[in-house]
This record gives sequence, C-alpha cells and structure tokens, in this order.
Amino acid sequence: GAGVSQSPSNKVTEKGKDVELRCDPISGHTALYWYRQSLGQGLEFLIYFQGNSAPDKSGLPSDRFSAERTGGSVSTLTIQRTQQEDSAVYLCASSLMGGGHTDTQYFGPGTRLTVL
Amino acid sequence: AQRVTQPEKLLSVFKGAPVELKCNYSYSGSPELFWYVQYSRQRLQLLLRHISRESIKGFTADLNKGETSFHLKKPFAQEEDSAMYYCALYSGAGSYQLTFGKGTKLSVIP
Repeated sequence: GAGVSQSPSNKVTEKGKDVELRCDPISGHTALYWYRQSLGQGLEFLIYFQGNSAPDKSGLPSDRFSAERTGGSVSTLTIQRTQQEDSAVYLCASSLMGGGHTDTQYFGPGTRLTVL
Repeated sequence: AQRVTQPEKLLSVFKGAPVELKCNYSYSGSPELFWYVQYSRQRLQLLLRHISRESIKGFTADLNKGETSFHLKKPFAQEEDSAMYYCALYSGAGSYQLTFGKGTKLSVIP
C-alpha cells in the first residue's frame, strides 16, 4: 500500500513568510511524528501526535512552529515568519500504535525547505 | 537527557571488507536501540532493532550496556550497502520519539 506522503517536496520561501508543510500518514496509523534534519545534523524531534491525545510539542524550537492533525489523519506543520536557520529537510513519520520499541516508524520522503 | 553519538561522518571500505559503524549512547535508563538506513534518493527506513536480535541484509548489531554501544557490523561489505546510516535510541519514557545520531555515510569502493 501507499507509504507516508509529504508535500511539497521542495519549498523555497523568503525570510519572514509563513509556510505550511503537509503529511499524509499511512492509513490506520494512529501515531504521527515530525522531525527536522538540518545540514550535517541528525534528525531532531519536533512534535508527536497519538490518536486524540494532546500532542507532545516538547521538540518545537520556538513559538513560530506549530502543527495540527485533523481527524486523526493528515497533519500540517506551520512555520511562521520563517528565518534562514529554518532551512532544513522536514520529515514526517507514522506508526501503527506509537507504542515504543516494537512499533516501527515509517518515514515520508521529506520536504526540503529553503529560506532565502 | 539521552544522546546518540556516531563518531564517523564518513566511512569508506572496499567491497568484501568488514564494516563496523560505531554508535554510542548516553541514557540512564534501559534504552531500545535501532539502526535506520537511507539509500540514495530513497526515504529513511528501519534496518534493524536490538530487541529483535536479527540480521538484516547481513548486518548485525549488539547492544553493549557496559560500553553503552550499539555498533553495526557486516563481515563482507557490498556496493549496495553504500548509504547513510543513523543510529537511534528510544527512551521508553514520555512520548515515543526517537533520538538520532548525526549519521555515518558508508561508501563501499568496488
């Protein structure tokens, strides 16, 4: 079946503009994660959604970042007033249960964001 | 706080030679460790997890709690093994995000 999809694949924006990144998880997966991969860095956790529970936002780097997940499926990551340091690849992952070591996270292809 | 360290950014080996990708972690509890791989132009995917004690594509990894290491090994490297490899840790507490190392790029020379 279809894997995790993300759109757009590439986004170039000007400093100060807002951007929205979209993630479609695998159907039936209750857990959804956003990570950021900056140049030369590993993946940095941003936010986690599990079912109808309140999201874990502990990884969001500033209040310019927000995310929502509508109807327990599609998620949108919004970055307001983008800065050049926001340039990175944003990865979305989903898993069946969000239950730890036995629950595999499946990653999307990522959105490459470039802030000029 | 947990941390994952992969000391080598780039590792080059000849085809047929043994491979060892190093991973060290810092976590006070009992961690779960994973290796993820990203081949060129493909998405990040799970390679193996220590809890399963499995061998995938000839790769194995043993969790050494004394040395806080989870090195990835393969006895004979193949060209198709060339990729980025990421070690990741799941702390088991709070939410279920993974903590990743910065990755090692493996290049297998024909």
